Amino acid sequence: SAVISQKPSRDICQRGTSLTIQCQVDSQVTMMFWYRQQPGQSLTLIATANQGSEATYESGFVIDKFPISRPNLTFSTLTVSNMSPEDSSIYLCSVNRAGDEQFFGPGTRLTVL
Amino acid sequence: AQRVTQPEKLLSVFKGAPVELKCNYSYSGSPELFWYVQYSRQRLQLLLRHISRESIKGFTADLNKGETSFHLKKPFAQEEDSAMYYCASRGAGGYQKVTFGTGTKLQVIP
Repeated sequence: SAVISQKPSRDICQRGTSLTIQCQVDSQVTMMFWYRQQPGQSLTLIATANQGSEATYESGFVIDKFPISRPNLTFSTLTVSNMSPEDSSIYLCSVNRAGDEQFFGPGTRLTVL
Repeated sequence: AQRVTQPEKLLSVFKGAPVELKCNYSYSGSPELFWYVQYSRQRLQLLLRHISRESIKGFTADLNKGETSFHLKKPFAQEEDSAMYYCASRGAGGYQKVTFGTGTKLQVIP
C-alpha cells in the first residue's frame, strides 16, 4: 500500500490569491495524479505528474492556472492560481503502481471567498 | 475515451434488503473496473476490483462485457454500508489514469 499525506488539509483563501498544495508519498512512485472533487460531484482528473517531465493536463485544465511540480519520486505540488469562488473544491493527490490499486490522499478542502 | 455512468445519485434501502448499485462503462480496449467507497469524513478507498474477483464486506461485482456493466451487489444491506460509492475504470497496463463515475450515495435505513 501507499501512505499519502497532503498539506494543508483545508484553507480559506481570498479571491485572486494562489495556494500551493503539497503531496508526500511514503514510497517512490512513477506517476502522481491530481484530482478535483467539486461540491456534490465526482472526481475529475486535473493532470498527471511524472518526475522529470512536464505534467500532462486534461481537457479544461491549463498549466497557467494549475502549475504542478514533481521534483522527486515521492513529492509533488499543485498550485491553484488566481483563485475564484469556482475553485472551491477538494483537491486530491493520488498514486498508483503498475497493476496495483489507486491510492488517494486525504484531500485538501479549499474555500475561496 | 473512457466514460463511466452511474445512473442513480441516491439509493435508499432498508437494513437487510438487497443492494445493487449500477455502473456502465464505455471503453475501446479492455479496461480495469473498480468500485471505490467514501465513508463520511474519510478518504476514498478501494472496495474491490474486477480482476481480483473477491468479495469485500459482502459486496461483489461482476464484469459483464456484453452489457458493459459492472454493477455492485450485496444481498443484505447493513447500516455501516451507508456511504458514497464510485465506479471507476482504468485502461489496461497499470500506468493509466482512472476515470470516475458521478457516484451513488447509498443510504441504509435502520
